[in-house]
Amino acid sequence: AQSVTQLGSHVSVSEGALVLLRCNYSSSVPPYLFWYVQYPNQGLQLLLKYTSAATLVKGINGFEAEFKKSETSFHLTKPSAHMSDAAEYFCAVTPSGGYQKVTFGIGTKLQVIP
Amino acid sequence: DGGITQSPKYLFRKEGQNVTLSCEQNLNHDAMYWYRQDPGQGLRLIYYSQIVNDFQKGDIAEGYSVSREKKESFPLTVTSAQKNPTAFYLCASSIRSAALEAFFGQGTRLTVV
Repeated sequence: AQSVTQLGSHVSVSEGALVLLRCNYSSSVPPYLFWYVQYPNQGLQLLLKYTSAATLVKGINGFEAEFKKSETSFHLTKPSAHMSDAAEYFCAVTPSGGYQKVTFGIGTKLQVIP
Repeated sequence: DGGITQSPKYLFRKEGQNVTLSCEQNLNHDAMYWYRQDPGQGLRLIYYSQIVNDFQKGDIAEGYSVSREKKESFPLTVTSAQKNPTAFYLCASSIRSAALEAFFGQGTRLTVV
């Protein structure tokens, strides 16, 4: 079985400040990990994904995430927050090796303060 | 342009009525999914289908039904047996691969009145 825990259901940052959204995972086999973003009343859009290649993954809109096996973490970061980053962010995990269900975290709402 | 289309965007239903949510994709994806989203609970899997004429229950399938008669279509019926159907419903699709990058529709907001 796999699971993800997103620490902090709401995060506020000032415009221009570092964005750090936390995700810890649990998986009995090597995982694939994803970050998605959702704007109000919209579907989810993939930001980035880890599929066992490079541990530092770069995504769209200046976001990146680092896979740390020793810490079972896949935190999402962005050096400088922009007002347009205000949205809800979801971490997701699926076991590698064949078809498996994807498990999503509960989401973190990011507020960017001008 | 390829994508996933969910319709309608907003849907109102009276208690005791069944209602069907549409999901169509032209991405040639084999796998399709239905998720329910409630505030503070993330996305919960209702049903998924890996190939035509086959589908499996997800974590919260009670009160829902699906069909997969065509590769591009995966409609979800919310039956009167679903105790709390008011929610935001998301359809997604992906290739049948270990790296399951899912593509999502824009969602349908169902409200029971």
